[in-house]
Amino acid sequence: QSVLTQPPSASGTPGQWVILSCSGNTSNIGRNTVTWYQKLAGTAPKLLIDNHNQRPSGVPDRISASKSGTSASLAISGLQSEDEAEYYCASWDASLRTVVFGGGTKLTVL
Amino acid sequence: EVQLLESGGDLVQPGGSLRLSCAASGFTFSNYAMIWVRQAPGKGLEWLSSISDSGGITYYIPSVRGRFTISRDNSKNTLYLYLNSLRAEDTAVYYCAKSPSGTESKPESWGQGTLVTVSS
Repeated sequence: QSVLTQPPSASGTPGQWVILSCSGNTSNIGRNTVTWYQKLAGTAPKLLIDNHNQRPSGVPDRISASKSGTSASLAISGLQSEDEAEYYCASWDASLRTVVFGGGTKLTVL
Repeated sequence: EVQLLESGGDLVQPGGSLRLSCAASGFTFSNYAMIWVRQAPGKGLEWLSSISDSGGITYYIPSVRGRFTISRDNSKNTLYLYLNSLRAEDTAVYYCAKSPSGTESKPESWGQGTLVTVSS
């Protein structure tokens, strides 16, 4: 059971807009920044959104993130087949004094 | 370009030990905190431990505290993870990652991982 809660799966068709959610509490998302990672099968995770809510070089601007209270979300517009991957949120937890990951959302492009 | 190359993964019996290494290049290693994350088969990412740039501050998740030890040698640009009292549930791909700062514990850049299998 992950400290941050993500739906296990999501799907969309090419060109659609999808939102992936990440729910935490006042010890983590409620007081700390959220980062997002993309993981393709058999490859290393890749940073999508950093601590400052910025996209590293090479991440398209159709990917964005937001946070409200104890929840965060990742939005992907103009869905493409290359977006099919697992997406993870992460935040520092002040009570646990560790970084906590969500369980990941597997995004399928239909 | 940041490069992180993990090594040391192996098949080990329950109760055994391993030392994982992560050779870093392409950045000033001593300026950045470093992190270990793992992914068990069919499971999600699990943050394990971090160490500050100087090595003076370390964090661990409860399930590995006392069994795993993170350390670094800034003269060799190398990060280590010592794994003791290994259990079947420690079977995973172990990733080394670079922090964006000297103290931040969330990963920025990742290595390709090294596989640890705990089985008799």
